[in-house]
Amino acid sequence: KAGVTQTPRYLIKTRGQQVTLSCSPISGHRSVSWYQQTPGQGLQFLFEYFSETQRNKGNFPGRFSGRQFSNSRSEMNVSTLELGDSALYLCASSLEGPGTVSSYEQYFGPGTRLTVT
Amino acid sequence: DAKTTQPNSMESNEEEPVHLPCNHSTISGTDYIHWYRQLPSQGPEYVIHGLTSNVNNRMASLAIAEDRKSSTLILHRATLRDAAVYYCILENSGGGADGLTFGKGTHLIIQP
Repeated sequence: KAGVTQTPRYLIKTRGQQVTLSCSPISGHRSVSWYQQTPGQGLQFLFEYFSETQRNKGNFPGRFSGRQFSNSRSEMNVSTLELGDSALYLCASSLEGPGTVSSYEQYFGPGTRLTVT
Repeated sequence: DAKTTQPNSMESNEEEPVHLPCNHSTISGTDYIHWYRQLPSQGPEYVIHGLTSNVNNRMASLAIAEDRKSSTLILHRATLRDAAVYYCILENSGGGADGLTFGKGTHLIIQP
């Protein structure tokens, strides 16, 4: 079974631009979560989608948004990029939704390395 | 989420057991203990989780203290490929909507 895939793997953008990152979960997984990883802040939760609905959102500004499609694939968008948005963006998928232990067995992709100049 | 405390780094020799400690003195009765690890240049990888009883899987063992205020991840025979940052995470069994709260983790160094 293929793992979580993320595209692109590397991206360079300039301040003020917007970017869209894509995540394909493991086949059969319906929950997709996004995380931002930086050297200073570590891994931080952005948001989670289950069955095309955003269930929760972390403490990030509205410039960060996402969506999930009917095939569980997910995209996240960052508008008006800032230098501080340079980070590794990780996507994770899990089989079930809330209320089940397996929702915590998250399978992470390799990430998209975003550099904002 | 309840907070966890882990040593910043640990060092061990190849082919020896490694015991990675985690303190979680404010754990609630419904918090599961999860361990993930992140190898260099990769996303985090699920290792093991438990609630009250010790757990074993093909990757590691999880020993949970009787009062649940601490736990230990045990790698029975470390290899160079086990060099990674190990994260101990508490999550309430009520649902995963809040995401995983990663701390700083323990940077495990394996010496050949």
